[in-house]
Amino acid sequence: SQQGEEDPQALSIQEGENATMNCSYKTSINNLQWYRQNSGRGLVHLILIRSNEREKHSGRLRVTLDTSKKSSSLLITASRAADTASYFCATDPLSGGYNKLIFGAGTRLAVHP
Amino acid sequence: EAEVAQSPRYKITEKSQAVAFWCDPISGHATLYWYRQILGQGPELLVQFQDESVVDDSQLPKDRFSAERLKGVDSTLKIQPAELGDSAMYLCASRPGGSWEQFFGPGTRLTVL
Repeated sequence: SQQGEEDPQALSIQEGENATMNCSYKTSINNLQWYRQNSGRGLVHLILIRSNEREKHSGRLRVTLDTSKKSSSLLITASRAADTASYFCATDPLSGGYNKLIFGAGTRLAVHP
Repeated sequence: EAEVAQSPRYKITEKSQAVAFWCDPISGHATLYWYRQILGQGPELLVQFQDESVVDDSQLPKDRFSAERLKGVDSTLKIQPAELGDSAMYLCASRPGGSWEQFFGPGTRLTVL
């Protein structure tokens, strides 16, 4: 079963624009993570935000977390063609035990030169 | 830089045949995960190991799937017999103690004909 739902399912932008992806989840969490997946490849960890944090930055990435609304957003600023990939949010549920992640269905981002 | 290794990268098989996938996690990572990712969806956890012990296999179809990590290092996931619906990407990930981040291998793309 998948807990997270990403919105939009697909996003197409021009280089230099910002890309915003949203994630909603259902149960209380320890943390929420974002991963990137290039076509046909494995996932790469981007950023983690703990349940007691509201915002976090890493380079061109900005993540927010609203535990009252059970939602998170990932902002990629000044996008590049190399950012073209699928982006997944993954939640570490409080009741799940053993640090297992539940992934959403992902947002497919296309950045055009 | 250490990486999670998986083989084979691609596997084509006919239904009712047996298939096996191999994963070698990053050295020192005690936790190992197997995920299945259907095209267009996020990864779904099949089984989680802590050292050589299974700590979560609630989503593993045990009538046809089996997984082992005999010495707590590399792992094998087996499907017997394969069904058409098993066509997917099978991803292995490992996680070091004290970290929530998971490191993914490149995956094995399985096609069942």
